[in-house]
Amino acid sequence: GESVGLHLPTLSVQEGDNSIINCAYSNSASDYFIWYKQESGKGPQFIIDIRSNMDKRQGQRVTVLLNKTVKHLSLQIAATQPGDSAVYFCAENSGGSNYKLTFGKGTLLTVNP
Amino acid sequence: EADIYQTPRYLVIGTGKKITLECSQTMGHDKMYWYQQDPGMELHLIHYSYGVNSTEKGDLSSESTVSRIRTEHFPLTLESARPSHTSQYLCASSESGVGEQFFGPGTRLTVL
Repeated sequence: GESVGLHLPTLSVQEGDNSIINCAYSNSASDYFIWYKQESGKGPQFIIDIRSNMDKRQGQRVTVLLNKTVKHLSLQIAATQPGDSAVYFCAENSGGSNYKLTFGKGTLLTVNP
Repeated sequence: EADIYQTPRYLVIGTGKKITLECSQTMGHDKMYWYQQDPGMELHLIHYSYGVNSTEKGDLSSESTVSRIRTEHFPLTLESARPSHTSQYLCASSESGVGEQFFGPGTRLTVL
């Protein structure tokens, strides 16, 4: 069935370093992917998304890479800051007229000052 | 910042009580969703709606029910709360087409 998962449940980095959070998905029909950031006690907040006709998309300090061949998604955060500490989730949409998102297990990012 | 609201933010109740979690959005979105999330875990879709008078069960079975009488309002009801219902409940909405879902702040429910 459909599943989205993350390779690492926790990631600890030093302030100023770059962070890479990985995500594997199993549904080859998925055509939309999205990353969310969730801080303690809050709802998920949109970071960046990408459609399957692209393999890279950049935002402010963040880049999402999509490798459809191996069904892998990654989020890169440049110059990580303490405010980036949160749980990060990837999610996918399986396409067609289905507007639902399937979420993976989160990765806890801790930024050390 | 997304205009989607949930009340209450925190709720502690006894077993057997009926509760309604409120969710409202002012963005005119057709699609709305309810997720259940245990601490440190992923989000599980329990209900969704693609428009007024349209509701569907999500991927995770839930004893809760929902209604969608108005576009902006998508309440979730538990007829008889149990300790197993203790969790965080997140409401979201999205525009037409496939894209970002905007999340509310969540309701943390504790059933004693």
